Amino acid sequence: NAGVTQTPKFRILKIGQSMTLQCTQDMNHNYMYWYRQDPGMGLKLIYYSVGAGITDKGEVPNGYNVSRSTTEDFPLRLELAAPSQTSVYFCASMTVTIFRDYNEQFFGPGTRLTVL
Amino acid sequence: QKEVEQNSGPLSVPEGAIASLNCTYSDRGSQSFFWYRQYSGKSPELIMFIYSNGDKEDGRFTAQLNKASQYVSLLIRDSQPSDSATYLCAVFPDSWGKLQFGAGTQVVVTP
Repeated sequence: NAGVTQTPKFRILKIGQSMTLQCTQDMNHNYMYWYRQDPGMGLKLIYYSVGAGITDKGEVPNGYNVSRSTTEDFPLRLELAAPSQTSVYFCASMTVTIFRDYNEQFFGPGTRLTVL
Repeated sequence: QKEVEQNSGPLSVPEGAIASLNCTYSDRGSQSFFWYRQYSGKSPELIMFIYSNGDKEDGRFTAQLNKASQYVSLLIRDSQPSDSATYLCAVFPDSWGKLQFGAGTQVVVTP
């Protein structure tokens, strides 16, 4: 049981390059999230998914895309990287009962991305 | 108005004292509320979850929820230097799926 894994841990991109941040969870969680955290700030929701095949935008989706073809994987795609996308990216997964009276939730270790 | 707001920090607390953190939210239909601790350079860690009005205690932590006033608070009793971290409030609103965070409050416990 590895929890939530993210790859890579660090990455430097040049402006205009593209990349995919990988996120995998092995807990059969239905909900998955991508957040970015700028220095000294809170977490901003980029995209989320409530199950395989279902995704929706969060607060700051521009410049990103996601897919959720399986329960386990939720990759985040950056197209045409810009310096404003320099941040730490966290993936999280959660399970919630229908009555929302229980949840189990874990964050991945994060990916530090720098765009130069 | 931000959907989830927290006291701006840092909050300086003497060792052994009670740290009090507040969080307000704008979506009146919000159902579930979370407190996380985040050490510098690390990922957030869930420390408390509350969904009913009133108090919920877990060790030295107490979460208090008042849905009518739309606030949730976190008390840390007998604060220790290891409690020095940023504490994030998050809200699970009525719309399925979105989990939104406040900006966080940095707590510094001084010996």
